[in-house]
Amino acid sequence: GAGVSQSPSNKVTEKGKDVELRCDPISGHTALYWYRQSLGQGLEFLIYFQGNSAPDKSGLPSDRFSAERTGGSVSTLTIQRTQQEDSAVYLCASRPQGATARTEAFFGQGTRLTVV
Amino acid sequence: QKEVEQDPGPLSVPEGAIVSLNCTYSNSAFQYFMWYRQYSRKGPELLMYTYSSGNKEDGRFTAQVDKSSKYISLFIRDSQPSDSATYLCAMSARETSGSRLTFGEGTQLTVNP
Repeated sequence: GAGVSQSPSNKVTEKGKDVELRCDPISGHTALYWYRQSLGQGLEFLIYFQGNSAPDKSGLPSDRFSAERTGGSVSTLTIQRTQQEDSAVYLCASRPQGATARTEAFFGQGTRLTVV
Repeated sequence: QKEVEQDPGPLSVPEGAIVSLNCTYSNSAFQYFMWYRQYSRKGPELLMYTYSSGNKEDGRFTAQVDKSSKYISLFIRDSQPSDSATYLCAMSARETSGSRLTFGEGTQLTVNP
């Protein structure tokens, strides 16, 4: 596709259930980021993948959160035993190989997660 | 304390006004500064990029960085209703893409016709 694709667009889940959020980055982009956006918090960094390197997981808020990236392309963010405070918009972004700080991070439209 | 502080607004101005958006930061390692614009229900898009201190102008937009004060600004001249969006400042410490972007909370701007 032409841009970063995220699915689903919206997800309502019951407290305690597990959810999987999917990100399909721009073809050929080696860097992939997950951010969480909630009221009063702005964009909160969660995890970063760069090629075959070990991911930077330092932003994951708890061990209920995990992410993987298969084949250097599609990424899945999994939240186990969801809590109401997990309600937020989850954004994925990608950058091409060799990107520098000036290179735009291309964001998807996000998945709006609501935990009830 | 957050690494990057940004007044969330909301900010409402009449069409044609000059808009000033600001962020302060605490991490002196930040050298690369960006402004992203986010329309409702969309992902953020890069608007301006500035390296280190100084000014950068692009059309109606001017980005300023004052590293000594750890303060960055975005000015919008002759604001238009199409400028209504949330503006997020972002910063990174390293040149390579390996450095995460640290974002401010975002300022919600409405430009009224």
